[in-house]
Amino acid sequence: ELKVEQNPLFLSMQEGKNYTIYCNYSTTSDRLYWYRQDPGKSLESLFVLLSNGAVKQEGRLMASLDTKARLSTLHITAAVHDLSATYFCAVDSNTGNQFYFGTGTSLTVIP
Amino acid sequence: SAVISQKPSRDICQRGTSLTIQCQVDSQVTMMFWYRQQPGQSLTLIATANQGSEATYESGFVIDKFPISRPNLTFSTLTVSNMSPEDSSIYLCSVEPGGHPDTQYFGPGTRLTVL
Repeated sequence: ELKVEQNPLFLSMQEGKNYTIYCNYSTTSDRLYWYRQDPGKSLESLFVLLSNGAVKQEGRLMASLDTKARLSTLHITAAVHDLSATYFCAVDSNTGNQFYFGTGTSLTVIP
Repeated sequence: SAVISQKPSRDICQRGTSLTIQCQVDSQVTMMFWYRQQPGQSLTLIATANQGSEATYESGFVIDKFPISRPNLTFSTLTVSNMSPEDSSIYLCSVEPGGHPDTQYFGPGTRLTVL
């Protein structure tokens, strides 16, 4: 069974600071996805990473994928309060269409 | 992208009853997915539903408990049968409109509470 772990699970950071969320997975995959979920809301797609070394950036968020290390990172630059949410990574098994979601990282940005 | 609606948005049900959740997409899609998100937890895939064939269930989920219909390319239902309080969760449907591999787009979810 494919396992996807994120750390940290909870992150409280001050506005203006930088931080990185890590997503590790247990089996071969070269497809990884990042989502954002606001409280009481559904999931919003942030990034799609489809190859080793892929890097995507949108605003203050940048995601990267290292398939050899089975690791993706979501880097937050100069955090603002609007980034407060739960962030999930999801891995595609390479052998099917199923997504396996990480444990989630609850981010709170403090003014 | 895709616009997905779910009905009901929330419900409170009695133990032993069943609830059918509807998922409607604004475009034709081959595959639809049903997930469960228990309070404060991540998402767990229940099953994958293709039009015209039986749904494929993940380990720990069975058709008798979670029957799924997929009558056409824009619609699916998930029934939660013989409910118990442990079934209290958010149930989400998703689609992958761009073909695989692509991101999945999620519906707003159905928040179910079983008393």
